[in-house]
Amino acid sequence: QVQLQESGPGLVKPSETLSLTCSVSGGSITNYYWSWIRQPPGRGLESMGYMYYNGRFSYNPSLKSRVSMSVDTSNNQFSLKLSSVTAADTAVYYCARLACSGPTCLLDYWGQGTLVTVSS
Amino acid sequence: DIQMTQSPSSLSASVGDRVTITCRASPDISSYLNWYQQKPGKAPRLLIYDTSNLQTGVPSRFSGSRSGTEFTFSISSLQPEDVATYHCQQYSNLPYTFGQGTKVEIK
Repeated sequence: QVQLQESGPGLVKPSETLSLTCSVSGGSITNYYWSWIRQPPGRGLESMGYMYYNGRFSYNPSLKSRVSMSVDTSNNQFSLKLSSVTAADTAVYYCARLACSGPTCLLDYWGQGTLVTVSS
Repeated sequence: DIQMTQSPSSLSASVGDRVTITCRASPDISSYLNWYQQKPGKAPRLLIYDTSNLQTGVPSRFSGSRSGTEFTFSISSLQPEDVATYHCQQYSNLPYTFGQGTKVEIK
């Protein structure tokens, strides 16, 4: 059974960089896409982007140049960095596996989520 | 970005009732739509993929269908454990986008 676990600071100061890591167990990180999704308190889900294990990526343009992702195949982990954060970036951050077969893509395994609060 | 308009935002129904949620896509996304269930304080869980395919292990009372750009998610007989927020998600175009969510409660 594939399991994902987010880790990182729960509090980040405005203008600083939010950094999170997702550890994958029970399966290999290769041959899949890995995604970050966030959910502001009381609001809907927002896809931040995804990265393939070989480094190919796609980010949500709404995040402009603030977001970057990376994959560490040797440790079966992938990471998120979001720079110049503001209070609007306060959210629960989820990592998830994006499984694609032909034209079908789905988010089939999710981490439990981690709340990141942006505040001084 | 593709806009997913989900309705209603919340509903209350009795145990055993049929529940229906709608997502409308603009522009067209063919059948590239998934549905997720999110229980309070938990991560979303995939229920239906590619409009109407049930994910492994999901009870058969859940179903999905499509008519043009309108997608319907149904629970044939609402159970107490179905209390959750349901989200649609399109994967036709990047960035993948979600509906606003529908909160389902028991009356």
